[in-house]
Amino acid sequence: QKEVEQDPGPLSVPEGAIVSLNCTYSNSAFQYFMWYRQYSRKGPELLMYTYSSGNKEDGRFTAQVDKSSKYISLFIRDSQPSDSATYLCAFTNGGGSNYKLTFGKGTLLTVNP
Amino acid sequence: EAQVTQNPRYLITVTGKKLTVTCSQNMNHEYMSWYRQDPGLGLRQIYYSMNVEVTDKGDVPEGYKVSRKEKRNFPLILESPSPNQTSLYFCASSLTGLAKETQYFGPGTRLLVL
Repeated sequence: QKEVEQDPGPLSVPEGAIVSLNCTYSNSAFQYFMWYRQYSRKGPELLMYTYSSGNKEDGRFTAQVDKSSKYISLFIRDSQPSDSATYLCAFTNGGGSNYKLTFGKGTLLTVNP
Repeated sequence: EAQVTQNPRYLITVTGKKLTVTCSQNMNHEYMSWYRQDPGLGLRQIYYSMNVEVTDKGDVPEGYKVSRKEKRNFPLILESPSPNQTSLYFCASSLTGLAKETQYFGPGTRLLVL
């Protein structure tokens, strides 16, 4: 079983749609969960960070973590063409001196005007 | 402006010819890291550094070397590049390396090894 599984897409939606992006993981040691956004020809940028099960909201973005099912999601409400990018989930064991990130392969999202 | 810079941005080389990709940050960050990104494999960590003279292996360190002699610089060295090291490379930094901190990525270096 792969440590992280992420549907690569591509995912194409109309403007205003609700987008759901998902990752599953198998490593029970993962304690911190992140979503990065990467525009074409750019480096990734941190979008959302959470460390507990439940939902975390930031504007149009909601990160959801279910540790019991080893499943995380990113929801984008009222999607905009500017949201078109690759979204990568990322995981790490701890927040002290052990900072090793494991990334999903990324989902390519296109929001059509 | 806070930034991570990488040089060169594009590089074509031949097998076995040593090369160095430089990375520099101007944010006084303690933590720096190198990643490679490949189609179908995603972003994978090569090496990271918690501070000056402190480095450790990531998931794919084979064929790479790093050094951290100064806080702002974290060069990636390929002693004898091979075609399987053709990839897009990203350098990144964050304040102390805590998972909750924003990790700033450089613009990337696209390497082709013939």
